[in-house]
Amino acid sequence: AQRVTQPEKLLSVFKGAPVELKCNYSYSGSPELFWYVQYSRQRLQLLLRHISRESIKGFTADLNKGETSFHLKKPFAQEEDSAMYYCALSLNTGFQKLVFGTGTRLLVSP
Amino acid sequence: NAGVTQTPKFQVLKTGQSMTLQCAQDMNHEYMSWYRQDPGMGLRLIHYSVGAGITDQGEVPNGYNVSRSTTEDFPLRLLSAAPSQTSVYFCASAAGLSSYNEQFFGPGTRLTVL
Repeated sequence: AQRVTQPEKLLSVFKGAPVELKCNYSYSGSPELFWYVQYSRQRLQLLLRHISRESIKGFTADLNKGETSFHLKKPFAQEEDSAMYYCALSLNTGFQKLVFGTGTRLLVSP
Repeated sequence: NAGVTQTPKFQVLKTGQSMTLQCAQDMNHEYMSWYRQDPGMGLRLIHYSVGAGITDQGEVPNGYNVSRSTTEDFPLRLLSAAPSQTSVYFCASAAGLSSYNEQFFGPGTRLTVL
């Protein structure tokens, strides 16, 4: 069965430190993966998707099919990066049905 | 452009009561969906719709009904509320039906069932 695992509930780092939020998935089809972010008192919003191979707000994520991972990375964390981050897998059904991980709260301290 | 709107923001129900959570979008999106968010469980798909008149079940559909009579609106009905339905409910929409498309989320409805 399809599953997304985010092993860390909370990740606490200091400003300027590197950040890696882990995401592993289980899916027999061709994976389409996303990172969504929810800042305090804001809506859940798309951060990036693997198909775009883009860097958003300094964050990048590489799909590793061998390790079934899609970890989110940023070399230098900023205080405004503090938020809840969700990894999501889109099932290859011809339209988007998302399976979410349980989320990781990132706290960046000054 | 209001995006995805949800009403109410908060609701308290007694066990057995029924109610409808409203969701509307003004982006002419084909795809709409409802999720529930519970502590430690992330978001789980309840029902979704790929267009007016077309709905289907997600991962956790029991106890919920939906309909899609217009492109804009996708209400979620709780037929007989139970404490297990205490949760935060999110509505989302996406343009087109590609599995790559970004989903746009509403602000959420926090429901408590006593």
